[in-house]
Amino acid sequence: DTGVSQDPRHKITKRGQNVTFRCDPISEHNRLYWYRQTLGQGPEFLTYFQNEAQLEKSRLLSDRFSAERPKGSFSTLEIQRTEQGDSAMYLCASSLGEGELFFGEGSRLTVL
Amino acid sequence: RKEVEQDPGPFNVPEGATVAFNCTYSNSASQSFFWYRQDCRKEPKLLMSVYSSGNEDGRFTAQLNRASQYISLLIRDSKLSDSATYLCVVRHGGTASKLTFGTGTRLQVTL
Repeated sequence: DTGVSQDPRHKITKRGQNVTFRCDPISEHNRLYWYRQTLGQGPEFLTYFQNEAQLEKSRLLSDRFSAERPKGSFSTLEIQRTEQGDSAMYLCASSLGEGELFFGEGSRLTVL
Repeated sequence: RKEVEQDPGPFNVPEGATVAFNCTYSNSASQSFFWYRQDCRKEPKLLMSVYSSGNEDGRFTAQLNRASQYISLLIRDSKLSDSATYLCVVRHGGTASKLTFGTGTRLQVTL
């Protein structure tokens, strides 16, 4: 296992389309996090899972965003009816309990 | 007020210089503190945890002042390879186990 992997690495879509990102965490890690990062800003928390349970979701996250981790392993983040303001880097991270977060390389979304 | 505040910089320093970054956090219930490093167009990586007693890792020293809700990072003898963005990170603990990141402070070390 070489670390957290995310797919796709880049996605260009038209406004109004739906997009889905996938994250495969480090295999023994029980916690999985989604963050969003825009240029010049730090990562902004979106949501996190402990095993398959979604324990927290940012109040900033509109109902167009949904995340799942059905078997406590990989996770998906779906954005419906994308808007230009959704353009960002979507980062996934995993950890073993409250240990160090290991980030994937991110999925860059561009909404035209 | 942002939960975690940092001076975005950039800090431009010559090789060999000592540079210090500061960070303040607003939630007094915060329990764990970290510095992460992010290279351009790369993902963040843990640099070091920050403890109340202060801790040192080679050229890097981190300090925490809980009373002032203030965290610092000192880099001695700066190297060109230290050029990156340094992110101050806070965990509130309990069920709210997310990490909250500051905007980051950009450091550019020059010859």
